[in-house]
Amino acid sequence: QVQLQESGPGLVKPSGTLSLTCAVSGGSISSSNWWSWVRQPPGKGLEWIGEIYHSGSTNYNPSLKSRVTISVDKSKNQFSLKLSSVTAADTAVYYCARSLWFRDPPLYYFDYWGQGTLVTVSS
Amino acid sequence: SSELTQDPAVSVALGQTVRITCQGDSLRSYYASWYQQKPGQAPVLVIYGKNNRPSGIPDRFSGSSSGNTASLTITGAQAEDEADYYCNSRDSSGNHLGVFGGGTKLTVL
Repeated sequence: QVQLQESGPGLVKPSGTLSLTCAVSGGSISSSNWWSWVRQPPGKGLEWIGEIYHSGSTNYNPSLKSRVTISVDKSKNQFSLKLSSVTAADTAVYYCARSLWFRDPPLYYFDYWGQGTLVTVSS
Repeated sequence: SSELTQDPAVSVALGQTVRITCQGDSLRSYYASWYQQKPGQAPVLVIYGKNNRPSGIPDRFSGSSSGNTASLTITGAQAEDEADYYCNSRDSSGNHLGVFGGGTKLTVL
């Protein structure tokens, strides 16, 4: 059973950088999966932030691309999110998740999720 | 296109059948996946692919698709099915993006 656990500061100052880590247990981050970040502002829907493969290949949401970096640390079996120049609009619960992406059949889904961590942007 | 459209709210009488829909161009190329989210909890995958349920998901949940529309059907809705439901797919434009629908709040009456 794969488990994911987010960690990082719950409060970030405006214009600062949000940094979160997702520790993966019960499976290898080097398996044939993508590893994703999804966020949810209070009372709103889910927003895909981006993803990384163990090779280091990444894909980002265009609306966040200029501010987002996702990286992987295979030695620690974890991956990380950095979001720079944050504003109050970045206040959200941030989830890490394992995503599976197949081209035949054309499937894309998230099968394991972390519990989520609330990050508040405030001075 | 990278947009998926869902009705904001749907209601169903206890024990009846309800269909939640998701529309978007990407659904012509990719199957939708569906997630249930209860207050204060992480989303849970309930349907993926043509009509696949992860282990532990009741068989009253089923999925289907036609053209640019995917549907999640709950046959015999239970009180515990009251939740937000989100569809998800992959952008079909070649930009390699994930995309979520805006979510549907299901109320079981």
